[in-house]
Amino acid sequence: GNSVTQMEGPVTLSEEAFLTINCTYTATGYPSLFWYVQYPGEGLQLLLKATKADDKGSNKGFEATYRKETTSFHLEKGSVQVSDSAVYFCAPLFGGSQGNLIFGKGTKLSVKP
Amino acid sequence: DSGVTQTPKHLITATGQRVTLRCSPRSGDLSVYWYQQSLDQGLQFLIQYYNGEERAKGNILERFSAQQFPDLHSELNLSSLELGDSALYFCASSIQGTPNTGELFFGEGSRLTVL
Repeated sequence: GNSVTQMEGPVTLSEEAFLTINCTYTATGYPSLFWYVQYPGEGLQLLLKATKADDKGSNKGFEATYRKETTSFHLEKGSVQVSDSAVYFCAPLFGGSQGNLIFGKGTKLSVKP
Repeated sequence: DSGVTQTPKHLITATGQRVTLRCSPRSGDLSVYWYQQSLDQGLQFLIQYYNGEERAKGNILERFSAQQFPDLHSELNLSSLELGDSALYFCASSIQGTPNTGELFFGEGSRLTVL
């Protein structure tokens, strides 16, 4: 069946370090792929998305590339800031016309100054 | 500010009780989604409404029910509450029904504590 697996945290980095959060999915088709971010005390908000193979989503210095061959959508940022501290969720959109987002478990990122 | 409003922000109640959570979607959004976030289960999709009609169902217990009213606000009713129902309940909205574009706007959540 359809599923998503996300790198478990927590992840602690120093400011300006490189970030990778791994996300892989299992699907019968080719879902659209999303990363959502949840800052402390807030609801989730869309960070970036990719709707087809080889698409690269980007926003706020974060990037993720839709890799059909490896069914992956890893989130990367070259230089993290303290303000990036949050929980990050990978979310494929499975299910065609009745599709709904299925969220990964979330990865908590803490960035230290 | 996402434009999605949820009330109450916090709620403490006892086992066996019933509560109602309310959600006002962004202006113009026709779809409302309910999610449950807990430490052990993560973020679980419960149910979706589109323009007053149920559109999709996820892992929603029979003790839970929801509806969307003509003014598009939605309510999630949780009854016969158990300790395990303690969680953060999120509402999200989007303008589309199906196909779902995946671009949702989330409220800040209602934190339910069952004692």
